[in-house]
Amino acid sequence: NAGVTQTPKFQVLKTGQSMTLQCAQDMNHNSMYWYRQDPGMGLRLIYYSASEGTTDKGEVPNGYNVSRLNKREFSLRLESAAPSQTSVYFCASLQWDWTENGYTFGSGTRLTVV
Amino acid sequence: AQTVTQSQPEMSVQEAETVTLSCTYDTSESDYYLFWYKQPPSRQMILVIRQEAYKQQNATENRFSVNFQKAAKSFSLKISDSQLGDAAMYFCAYRSAIITSYDKVIFGPGTSLSVIP
Repeated sequence: NAGVTQTPKFQVLKTGQSMTLQCAQDMNHNSMYWYRQDPGMGLRLIYYSASEGTTDKGEVPNGYNVSRLNKREFSLRLESAAPSQTSVYFCASLQWDWTENGYTFGSGTRLTVV
Repeated sequence: AQTVTQSQPEMSVQEAETVTLSCTYDTSESDYYLFWYKQPPSRQMILVIRQEAYKQQNATENRFSVNFQKAAKSFSLKISDSQLGDAAMYFCAYRSAIITSYDKVIFGPGTSLSVIP
């Protein structure tokens, strides 16, 4: 099925550990995004990539890095995890056209940092 | 910068009844898209309905409809004949119709809807 594939679905890290969240889309979308979701705060943009080879900071980029490996893949890396990064993370993609139906989301990653 | 506000953190509705979720937004743009997303306990984000600002007719999708008031910058979601499966977090969202390299969707904080059997 066409869509956004996000891995892993669950992860527990110890403070200071590093990890990479993977995201891939097969819809040939130009733009890809990483959000975090925290109770009462909705979805906050961490980083985005408007096109292959470009990345930009969103609202809450501190503590994260991203890589747009190719048009399909956009990864999010936590270099030294902190308890404040405990959250649910969503990857999304978007195509630039006038009939756009909004984002297509991955299924999310629940990350706990202890 | 655009903002989206949902003033009702939690709502409840009796099964088979109708409920309206509120959303307001702030923008200086004249052309844009508005969305309602549903997030059930499975965590998956599901697009429920969309509205294009230049269309005056309110969008409908089966039991879901919107009341779009452009001048008031209001975009409420009405769910008719509520079902247990409608219980979820609902997010209102905004996207500019101006396609730029900074294209992204802005979300409200969400409304948690409970459906009472």
